[in-house]
Amino acid sequence: NAGVTQTPKFRILKIGQSMTLQCTQDMNHNYMYWYRQDPGMGLKLIYYSVGAGITDKGEVPNGYNVSRSTTEDFPLRLELAAPSQTSVYFCASSYSLDRWETQYFGPGTRLLVL
Amino acid sequence: QKEVEQNSGPLSVPEGAIASLNCTYSDRVSQSFFWYRQYSGKSPELIMSIYSNGDKEDGRFTAQLNKASQYVSLLIRDSQPSDSATYLCAVYSGGGADGLTFGKGTHLIIQP
Repeated sequence: NAGVTQTPKFRILKIGQSMTLQCTQDMNHNYMYWYRQDPGMGLKLIYYSVGAGITDKGEVPNGYNVSRSTTEDFPLRLELAAPSQTSVYFCASSYSLDRWETQYFGPGTRLLVL
Repeated sequence: QKEVEQNSGPLSVPEGAIASLNCTYSDRVSQSFFWYRQYSGKSPELIMSIYSNGDKEDGRFTAQLNKASQYVSLLIRDSQPSDSATYLCAVYSGGGADGLTFGKGTHLIIQP
């Protein structure tokens, strides 16, 4: 059981470039999330998905896009990268929205936009 | 706007002492409360969850919840250098998958 995996671990982008951050979970979780964490800050929710084919915006969705074609995968797309998107990105998953359910986090992708 | 407030620290505690981490939240209807530990450069890891008023103990960790005061705390007994990390408080207020709000975290340093 690999849990939640993310690729790449680190990436440098030039302003205006695009990229996709990959996230895969093997726990058969329905719910998946993308967060960003800026230095000294908490986690901010970018997008989430409650199942294949269903996605919704979180607190900070501007500049990002997601898709959920399978239960396992939840890629995050950055279009026209900006320096403000320099951050650490965490993907997470959980089985349900039950209040007892915790989220399991991937190892993160560190992104630098120059 | 739901808010979760934590003292950013750093909080410095001698090895073997009790570390006390505090968190306040703004949404009175909050249901579930979580403490995550995050080592530098790593992802958050859940260490405690609490849902009812009072104390919940798990090994060296005790979570305390006071819903009337909108206050949740984490006590770490017999602090070890390996406890040095940032501790994130998270509060679930229901309403969907976007109902979990994280605090900015408290940086804890255990001094040998």
